[in-house]
Amino acid sequence: QKEVEQNSGPLSVPEGAIASLNCTYSDRGSQSFFWYRQYSGKSPELIMSIYSNGDKEDGRFTAQLNKASQYVSLLIRDSQPSDSATYLCAVNIVDGNKLVFGAGTILRVKS
Amino acid sequence: NAGVTQTPKFQVLKTGQSMTLQCAQDMNHNSMYWYRQDPGMGLRLIYYSASEGTTDKGEVPNGYNVSRLNKREFSLRLESAAPSQTSVYFCASSGTDNQPQHFGDGTRLSIL
Repeated sequence: QKEVEQNSGPLSVPEGAIASLNCTYSDRGSQSFFWYRQYSGKSPELIMSIYSNGDKEDGRFTAQLNKASQYVSLLIRDSQPSDSATYLCAVNIVDGNKLVFGAGTILRVKS
Repeated sequence: NAGVTQTPKFQVLKTGQSMTLQCAQDMNHNSMYWYRQDPGMGLRLIYYSASEGTTDKGEVPNGYNVSRLNKREFSLRLESAAPSQTSVYFCASSGTDNQPQHFGDGTRLSIL
């Protein structure tokens, strides 16, 4: 089992819809969770951090964390074509104290 | 505020040549990292440095060496480049291992 897993996609949503991106992780002791956005040919850009169970909202983005089920998700409300990118989930893995990235989910928002 | 700066942005090498990729951060971060990113493989950690004076191997260290020159700078060296090392290389830094990492713009390296 991979330490951090994401559906590679592509996930296609119409403009204005809610995009839901999911990530599961293997280390029950993980405490820090991050979502990065990466446009084609660019570097990863941090968009959300979450450390506690529940929801964290920032503008059109909501991160959701469920440690008991070992998943973290990212919701993007009112999706825009400019949201089209690859979204990387990153989880701090206690064993080795390192940040492990998922392979990413490609999101396409169609106008 | 520059954040994380990588040089060069692009490089083409011949098999067997050596090269050093440079990385510098101005955020007073303790930890620095080198990743490579290949299509469909995601980000893979090559080496990291938790603090000045320390370095540790990541997931794919073979063929690479690193130097943490001071708190700001962390370089990655390819001693004898191979075509399998063609990739995009990212440097990142963070305050601690639990904090988010901030990335440089990357170096696109092709080895012929």
